Amino acid sequence: QKEVEQNSGPLSVPEGAIASLNCTYSDRVSQSFFWYRQYSGKSPELIMSIYSNGDKEDGRFTAQLNKASQYVSLLIRDSQPSDSATYLCAVKRGTNAGKSTFGDGTTLTVKP
Amino acid sequence: EAEVAQSPRYKITEKSQAVAFWCDPISGHATLYWYRQILGQGPELLVQFQDESVVDDSQLPKDRFSAERLKGVDSTLKIQPAELGDSAMYLCASSLGRADTQYFGPGTRLTVL
Repeated sequence: QKEVEQNSGPLSVPEGAIASLNCTYSDRVSQSFFWYRQYSGKSPELIMSIYSNGDKEDGRFTAQLNKASQYVSLLIRDSQPSDSATYLCAVKRGTNAGKSTFGDGTTLTVKP
Repeated sequence: EAEVAQSPRYKITEKSQAVAFWCDPISGHATLYWYRQILGQGPELLVQFQDESVVDDSQLPKDRFSAERLKGVDSTLKIQPAELGDSAMYLCASSLGRADTQYFGPGTRLTVL
């Protein structure tokens, strides 16, 4: 079992819809959680970080964390074609751990 | 806006040859990371530096890979000899400290023939 699991997709949604991306992790002591966006051929770009249970909103993006279920998700509201990318979930063991363990990503396509 | 610099952006080499990648982190960032990302997979940490010291190289194939950050600023990752399975994107990232946001450079795409 991989430490961080994501649905590989591809996930396809129409423009304006809500895209829902999911991630589960195996290490119960994980404390920091991140979502990165990676366009094809480019490097990852941090879009959200979350540390506490519940929801965290930033513009059209909402991250949700449930530590009891070892589950973190990313919702993208009003999806745009420019959101088409691979979304990587990353987990850190502690806030001062440094090393992030990444999932293999979910590829999202937003169709005009 | 400050960025992590990497060179070269692309490298094609033949197996058994030596290759080297260079990374210049954002000024003032004490923590530097080298990741390898195989196509279709997430980045995997190869080595992490805190200033000039290695703090994690558990996934670095030490028989062929080496990394250094002599003055605690820029860093070099070397592969000798390169193998076909080393074809990947090599990403450098930096952060102020271990607990801070990591910023990635543009990466070096390595192709081993």
